[in-house]
Amino acid sequence: EAGVAQSPRYKIIEKRQSVAFWCNPISGHATLYWYQQILGQGPKLLIQFQNNGVVDDSQLPKDRFSAERLKGVDSTLKIQPAKLEDSAVYLCASSFSRANTEAFFGQGTRLTVV
Amino acid sequence: AQSVTQPDIHITVSEGASLELRCNYSYGATPYLFWYVQSPGQGLQLLLKYFSGDTLVQGIKGFEAEFKRSQSSFNLRKPSVHWSDAAEYFCAVRNPGGYQKVTFGTGTKLQVIP
Repeated sequence: EAGVAQSPRYKIIEKRQSVAFWCNPISGHATLYWYQQILGQGPKLLIQFQNNGVVDDSQLPKDRFSAERLKGVDSTLKIQPAKLEDSAVYLCASSFSRANTEAFFGQGTRLTVV
Repeated sequence: AQSVTQPDIHITVSEGASLELRCNYSYGATPYLFWYVQSPGQGLQLLLKYFSGDTLVQGIKGFEAEFKRSQSSFNLRKPSVHWSDAAEYFCAVRNPGGYQKVTFGTGTKLQVIP
């Protein structure tokens, strides 16, 4: 079974530029998560999708971050414009929609904003 | 709101020694509990999970964890650590039922010395 795929693995951009990350979840997983992991901290949920609908985006900085999951499969997370403090690893995860299941994580995208 | 505390930021153990990583959670009822491991440059891998039932759960790579309701704890243990266990370990909590987000602790970095 293929895992959660993310691209790119690494990205370096200048502040005020825009960037997009892509995630393809495990086949059949209705729930998709985007997490931000700043160095030395635990992952923080940015947004959670159930199929193509948003379930939780309470911690997403909506003035600069956006995410979509068209057709309820793969997803993109965009930052525009980027700030220095956005430097982090962006992790995508997916799970079945049943309650007693765990999330499976991709390898993440390491973003450096200079 | 649910929260997770991992009081030890960094732990060093000798290879072959036993290991215990602490995790305390804050939640009104019994949540779902998880331990994940993250090797450098990698995503998060699930070690074990607790949903209900037997409070001692076995995971992969020889790890186990015990849920103690009275102490709101879910400590991770391994009787004999191997050098390949050096990584960062995250405890996580999730509300049972519904599409609730997974909240992570800040992580414990494990160093294994010969």
